[in-house]
Amino acid sequence: DAGVTQSPTHLIKTRGQQVTLRCSPKSGHDTVSWYQQALGQGPQFIFQYYEEEERQRGNFPDRFSGHQFPNYSSELNVNALLLGDSALYLCASSLGQGARGYTFGSGTRLTVV
Amino acid sequence: QQQVKQSPQSLIVQKGGISIINCAYENTAFDYFPWYQQFPGKGPALLIAIRPDVSEKKEGRFTISFNKSAKQFSLHIMDSQPGDSATYFCAARGSGGSQGNLIFGKGTKLSVKP
Repeated sequence: DAGVTQSPTHLIKTRGQQVTLRCSPKSGHDTVSWYQQALGQGPQFIFQYYEEEERQRGNFPDRFSGHQFPNYSSELNVNALLLGDSALYLCASSLGQGARGYTFGSGTRLTVV
Repeated sequence: QQQVKQSPQSLIVQKGGISIINCAYENTAFDYFPWYQQFPGKGPALLIAIRPDVSEKKEGRFTISFNKSAKQFSLHIMDSQPGDSATYFCAARGSGGSQGNLIFGKGTKLSVKP
């Protein structure tokens, strides 16, 4: 039973560029949530997608956007990258919107130079 | 800003000892309190969780103690093993429209010495 799959695992981008990160949820899960984990910090909630719509959003600027596809997979897009966007981006999937059954992926390490 | 405050930042314990990590929260609307374990290069994995109407929950060597009046909860790892060396995060979930949002503490890096 495949868990949550994220791609790519590592990424280096230049300040001002745009990036797209991808997430395939665990089999049977229909909800995807994205978190940003800065070095030495706990994960911070970016947003959650359910039924192809953004349902909840954390305190992140509009440069952060996302999408969920009919097969429940999801993308996180970040525009106009800043050095401060360097972090581990985690995808968590669950069945339904509650956070009880979260399964996290191993994340995408984004470095902005 | 909703917060979950976690301490200590790092912890060194001898093999066989007890590891204790503490968290405090501010928002009484939180309704679910999980603990996650994260190894380097991996995402967080759910370890154990508790509801605020329960004062203690034990799963194997891991126990959560919950004090609702003090708005504090803690993780106890009994008979700590080198394989327990990881970063531990406490978290809290909002109720109602914020149920999909976990608020995490800053983490505790646990090292268990053989």
